[in-house]
Amino acid sequence: GESVGLHLPTLSVQEGDNSIINCAYSNSASDYFIWYKQESGKGPQFIIDIRSNMDKRQGQRVTVLLNKTVKHLSLQIAATQPGDSAVYFCAEKAAGNKLTFGGGTRVLVKP
Amino acid sequence: ETGVTQSPTHLIKTRGQQVTLRCSSQSGHNTVSWYQQALGQGPQFIFQYYREEENGRGNFPPRFSGLQFPNYSSELNVNALELDDSALYLCASSLGGQVSYNEQFFGPGTRLTVL
Repeated sequence: GESVGLHLPTLSVQEGDNSIINCAYSNSASDYFIWYKQESGKGPQFIIDIRSNMDKRQGQRVTVLLNKTVKHLSLQIAATQPGDSAVYFCAEKAAGNKLTFGGGTRVLVKP
Repeated sequence: ETGVTQSPTHLIKTRGQQVTLRCSSQSGHNTVSWYQQALGQGPQFIFQYYREEENGRGNFPPRFSGLQFPNYSSELNVNALELDDSALYLCASSLGGQVSYNEQFFGPGTRLTVL
């Protein structure tokens, strides 16, 4: 299948443990931040988003934290499962509906 | 699955040739955005079409052009292909308009290889 990221930073996590993926963004004018998951051979899949006037948002097994002071975004995945193995991208949206993506983090879940 | 389809899945071209990639948006969506994803990197915004008009463009040369049709499907055209154009080309559909943000749904991409 398609190899999304050959030289990406990699997070290895034991199945059942929690994962934390970090992202630094650049544009203080961005009003939305989004996390995407990309599996081999597929396009990015929406996970969760957060508006710039919030600092935390929770979904099913995922939590996004936003620290605007240091322009930092994180994604926490609870009880990581083998199906969570993928490349994760953060993206920021400023003017219009254009997304600016970060470089990505590969998550490998060990059984 | 997102309901966004792209064709072809894979394509091999040689330098200097032209290529057309196609995208069918999700039902009800009127906006299509195109992204280029080089191996090992995040997607880079090329341009966006809203109701058949270009609605924003990233830092790509004019040889990257596009169209959106009345049914909101879209084409990406690249002329005078260069080796560095080898990448995965993604389209994403969304419902545009007067709201500040609408979720973008990505297709599976077209892998273009330029030899």
